[in-house]
Amino acid sequence: EVVLTQSPGTLSLSPGESATLSCRASESVTSTLLAWYQQKPGQAPRLLISGASNRAAGIPSRFSGSGSGTNFALTISRLEPEDFAMYFCHQYGSLLHSFGQGTKLEIK
Amino acid sequence: QITLKESGPALLKPTQTLTLTCSFSGFSLSTSGGSVGWIRQPPGKALEWLALIYWDGEKRYSPFLESRLSVTKDNFNNEVVLTLTDMDPVDTATYYCVHSSELWLGYGHWGPGILVTVSS
Repeated sequence: EVVLTQSPGTLSLSPGESATLSCRASESVTSTLLAWYQQKPGQAPRLLISGASNRAAGIPSRFSGSGSGTNFALTISRLEPEDFAMYFCHQYGSLLHSFGQGTKLEIK
Repeated sequence: QITLKESGPALLKPTQTLTLTCSFSGFSLSTSGGSVGWIRQPPGKALEWLALIYWDGEKRYSPFLESRLSVTKDNFNNEVVLTLTDMDPVDTATYYCVHSSELWLGYGHWGPGILVTVSS
């Protein structure tokens, strides 16, 4: 099983600032098949990024994904109030998928 | 428009078997590249990947739960059924049904989730 480790556990920032969330895999993620999701309280997660860097339909351009191999990042530029939420990474390049433990992005 | 919805019991006793149905519309699970999966999330905790079934019938299970898990699909009725045996209070979670339309895409569609509580 590919273990995904997200850091930091909690990130405290102010609206207008930029956020960088990290996701590290225990082994190389095949074909950069890594996704990022946003989850708000009481809601199902929403897909933001597929294939490490491809925004899903309707996702604002301030969300960007990068990385390959074992190191991936989600960058959110110019944070909006609605961006404060939980974020999870997910690898689907191996036969058995897995999720990271999440990063909470909170308002400072 | 693609929609998914989970249905099943809200409360189970320890040792009972959980059967959840994912009813979906807007796609066919016989279309090449598609898959339907199950994810769960204990209250206040992270997402946990459980199982996946592909358009061609291939199945994948979490190695931690494989001995207790089963997933089947019904293309005619557009349903996927998850079975988890020998339920325990640690299995208390919101269970989500998800869909990916292509092998290279993440889970673009999620059901609203169903909270399943295991308690004596």
